[in-house]
Order: sequence, then C-alpha cells, then structure tokens
Amino acid sequence: AQSVSQHNHHVILSEAASLELGCNYSYGGTVNLFWYVQYPGQHLQLLLKYFSGDPLVKGIKGFEAEFIKSKFSFNLRKPSVQWSDTAEYFCALGSSNTGKLIFGQGTTLQVKP
Amino acid sequence: EAGVAQSPRYKIIEKRQSVAFWCNPISGHATLYWYQQILGQGPKLLIQFQNNGVVDDSQLPKDRFSAERLKGVDSTLKIQPAKLEDSAVYLCASSPLAGGTNTQYFGPGTRLTVL
Repeated sequence: AQSVSQHNHHVILSEAASLELGCNYSYGGTVNLFWYVQYPGQHLQLLLKYFSGDPLVKGIKGFEAEFIKSKFSFNLRKPSVQWSDTAEYFCALGSSNTGKLIFGQGTTLQVKP
Repeated sequence: EAGVAQSPRYKIIEKRQSVAFWCNPISGHATLYWYQQILGQGPKLLIQFQNNGVVDDSQLPKDRFSAERLKGVDSTLKIQPAKLEDSAVYLCASSPLAGGTNTQYFGPGTRLTVL
C-alpha cells in the first residue's frame, strides 16, 4: 500500500536558520512527489513537484527538495527561513494513473522573528 | 484565472442532521477531487471525478456520503446523517486532467463542525 510519512510534526526555528523537513514514502512503482504549503488563513498551494529527471527540484520562494530513490525520501529544504515561511507543509505522493494524492500528516513550521 | 470556489466556508450542525457542500472548479479542469482533512492529519481522498464520471470512490463512506458532478462542472458533496467524527475540513481540488503529473489546485475548504 502507498503511504507517506513526515517525521517532524512541529518545527520551531529562528529567522535565517536553515530548514529541512523529512518525508518518506512507501511505493514500489513510478513516483510523483509533491510538497504543498498552507499559509495561515490560505488554501493549500503547490511548492514544488518531482516527476522524473534531476532529483534536485527547485520550487517557489527559495524552497528545494531532493528525491533520493534509495532512501525513499523527498526532503524539503531552505537555506534561510523567513517569518513569512510560517505555515503547514505537506508532502504527498501522486498516483501515476489517477493523480490521486496521498498526503503525509503535515509539519507545522513556526519561524520566530 | 479564478481559483477553485467552495461554499459554505463554515458549517455547524448537530449529529444526525444532513449537510451539503458545493465546489466550482477552475474553468476547463476535467478532474475534480474531494478530500477530507481531519484536524492534525493530512487530507484524505474521498472521491475523484473525471468529467462527470467517478474514477475513485473507494474511501467514500457510501452509507452516509454521496457526491455528484453535474454536467462535468460543479460538484456537491452530501453527508446524511452526519456523525461526530465527520467534523473536518472538506477540500475540493481540480486539475486539467487525471494522472500523476498534473498539479491539483485546491479551494479554501469548508470547515464542518458536528455537535
């Protein structure tokens, strides 16, 4: 069965600190991986996605993620966080056939000014 | 480009009552999804439509939940009767086509509280 696990449920950082949020998935086939973000009071929006090719993908607002097939991981990174990055972050695995998304439980990031 | 619209934004009902949610996807998007997001969890797919046909409703509690997509555009999700455990945010998303490479665009959600 397909599943996604996010290890950090709540992360607190100071501005300018580096960020890495863990995401592991379970699936033996072709993977389509996503990171979505939900800022306070806003709807879910796409940060970045990986389908194939370069395993290091860059998204909006300086975020990037690295797909490591051998580790079944797709961790999200940002070198220097800002207060405006305070949000909930979701990793998701997409079905190749239907596009259905299987989400992790989410990580709440709080950035202190 | 207008986003995915949902209404109402908030709804409070008592258990055993019925409730309906409405979703209008982005114009031209053939695929529509309904997700349920319980507090502290990630969204979980309830049902997926491709135009007006159902692609996946394997996780829809069919004894109380129903959904339809009229003419392949708007969609409604109904719960009848509601239970306490149905308290959640109901998210609608749409994408141009089905398939894993398509980005899903989410609406603001409807927050349902069942008392």
